[in-house]
Amino acid sequence: DAGVTQSPTHLIKTRGQQVTLRCSPKSGHDTVSWYQQALGQGPQFIFQYYEEEERQRGNFPDRFSGHQFPNYSSELNVNALLLGDSALYLCASSLMQGGPGYTFGSGTRLTVV
Amino acid sequence: DAKTTQPPSMDCAEGRAANLPCNHSTISGNEYVYWYRQIHSQGPQYIIHGLKNNETNEMASLIITEDRKSSTLILPHATLRDTAVYYCIVKKAAGNKLTFGGGTRVLVKP
Repeated sequence: DAGVTQSPTHLIKTRGQQVTLRCSPKSGHDTVSWYQQALGQGPQFIFQYYEEEERQRGNFPDRFSGHQFPNYSSELNVNALLLGDSALYLCASSLMQGGPGYTFGSGTRLTVV
Repeated sequence: DAKTTQPPSMDCAEGRAANLPCNHSTISGNEYVYWYRQIHSQGPQYIIHGLKNNETNEMASLIITEDRKSSTLILPHATLRDTAVYYCIVKKAAGNKLTFGGGTRVLVKP
């Protein structure tokens, strides 16, 4: 049973560019959440998608947007990249109605130069 | 979600039990205590969760005090592969986001 799959694993972008990160949730999960983890810090919640709609959002600017597809997979888009957007981006899947916990992917390491 | 407080770091000898404390004095009656760990350069991994009773699984045991204001995660026989950052998180069972604090950096030494 595949867990959460994220792509790409590493990415280098230039300031001002746009980036799209992808996530396939664990089989059977219907909810996808995205987190940003700066070096040496704990993950910070960006937003959560359920039934193709953004359900919760953390304290991130509108440059961060997302999408969930009918097959529950999800994308995270970041526009007008800043150096401070360099981080590990984690996707986590879960069941909206509850369950043993969130399953995280290994993340996408984004470097903005 | 209630806030949690954990020591920033601790060392543990290989083969010994590791006891990781967590304070959550403002926990509500319908909030669970979750533990995750993050091994370097990987995504966080779910360990265990509980409401009020002690819980045990193949990875660890969770002891929650009777007043639910604190808990302890126990790794019964720590191995070098248990070296990680351990996060204690309080949240309702369904839907709510995970709010990560600083966690406890555990170093298991030979």
